[in-house]
Amino acid sequence: QVHLQESGPGLVKPSETLSLTCTVSGDSMNTHYWSWIRQPPGKGLEWIGYIYYTGTTKYNPSHKGRVTILIDRSKKQFSLSLTSVTAADTAVYYCAREHTTIDHWGPGTLVTVSS
Amino acid sequence: QSVLTQPPSVSAAPGQKVTISCSGSTSNIGQSFVSWYQQLPGTAPKVLIYEDSDRPSGIPDRISGSKSGTSATLNINEVQTGDEADYYCGAWDNGLDTGVFGGGTKLTVL
Repeated sequence: QVHLQESGPGLVKPSETLSLTCTVSGDSMNTHYWSWIRQPPGKGLEWIGYIYYTGTTKYNPSHKGRVTILIDRSKKQFSLSLTSVTAADTAVYYCAREHTTIDHWGPGTLVTVSS
Repeated sequence: QSVLTQPPSVSAAPGQKVTISCSGSTSNIGQSFVSWYQQLPGTAPKVLIYEDSDRPSGIPDRISGSKSGTSATLNINEVQTGDEADYYCGAWDNGLDTGVFGGGTKLTVL
């Protein structure tokens, strides 16, 4: 059974970099896309980007170059970096496995941007 | 404002049928698979429908999805109190080159 778990700081200061890691179990990470999705409090879902197991990435253009997703298949992890954060980046961040659908999600982690 | 348009809320009595719509365009629903996700309060979303109308194992057949042109529909027959949740449609947008979601629909079981 596939499980994903997000980890990282729950509080980030404005203008700094948000960094999260997703640890995967039950999957070799030799297929599928590995994605990040976020949900601001009380709002809807927003797709951030994915990394293919080969290392190819695709990002939501709305984040204007602030996003980097990396993968380390030997550690069964992939990561998200979001630079120059503002209060608008406060959200629950989900990591997920994706192909033609998002079929496995992590439980999510709340990241608050505040000084 | 979301790329895919859903009604903010729907309601139904137990045992009734509910329909949730998702409207898009030729760049997303019109040429990409649609998925539907259920999000129970305080939990991560879970896929109910993928590739427009397929159900993952474990999803009951009273839940179904369909697509026509640039719109998709989620049907839930015999609604139960446990179905109270937020429902999201999602698809790939080839014009924006990104994944997109609807704004979500809150289902209330009366």
